[in-house]
Amino acid sequence: ELKVEQNPLFLSMQEGKNYTIYCNYSTTSDRLYWYRQDPGKSLESLFVLLSNGAVKQEGRLMASLDTKARLSTLHITAAVHDLSATYFCAGAEAQKLVFGQGTRLTINP
Amino acid sequence: GAVVSQHPSRVICKSGTSVKIECRSLDFQATTMFWYRQFPKQSLMLMATSNEGSKATYEQGVEKDKFLINHASLTLSTLTVTSAHPEDSSFYICSAVAGGLNEQFFGPGTRLTVL
Repeated sequence: ELKVEQNPLFLSMQEGKNYTIYCNYSTTSDRLYWYRQDPGKSLESLFVLLSNGAVKQEGRLMASLDTKARLSTLHITAAVHDLSATYFCAGAEAQKLVFGQGTRLTINP
Repeated sequence: GAVVSQHPSRVICKSGTSVKIECRSLDFQATTMFWYRQFPKQSLMLMATSNEGSKATYEQGVEKDKFLINHASLTLSTLTVTSAHPEDSSFYICSAVAGGLNEQFFGPGTRLTVL
């Protein structure tokens, strides 16, 4: 059974700083997803990582996947307040998604 | 891009009543739809997997007689919360998968409050 763990669960940082959210998963996962959720809203898809060594970047966010280590990272560069949200990673077990606990990111001016 | 809608977006009901939530794929045919529940400050938990024309598959611990799922067409799945109680109050999110794709497209969610 696939289990997905994120850390940290809470992250408060200042604008302009860099930080990384980690996502570990327990068994083989065909693919790894990252989502953003704003308060009261549904999920917004950020990245889909399909293979070992995959790296994707969009703006100040960059995601990577190491299938051998069963680890994905979401790196935030020069954070801005607009990136404050909860970020979820999810692994795939057949068609099902298994979500991590979420990382609540607060970026202070 | 693929768009999934949910209706209603918000519903308040009295304890003991039943509530139906619709999930529609607007611009694609969804071979599979998923229903999730999210309690405040928690992650998403999969409730059930819904395939068009067949019975839904429920996750362990989810009462199939309480959460009725119907997937009558390739663009519509419904979740009915029967005899709702305050502990059923939650954010219900559906997602849909188009055949052959690796991605689930999420609906905007339905916030259910049971008084």
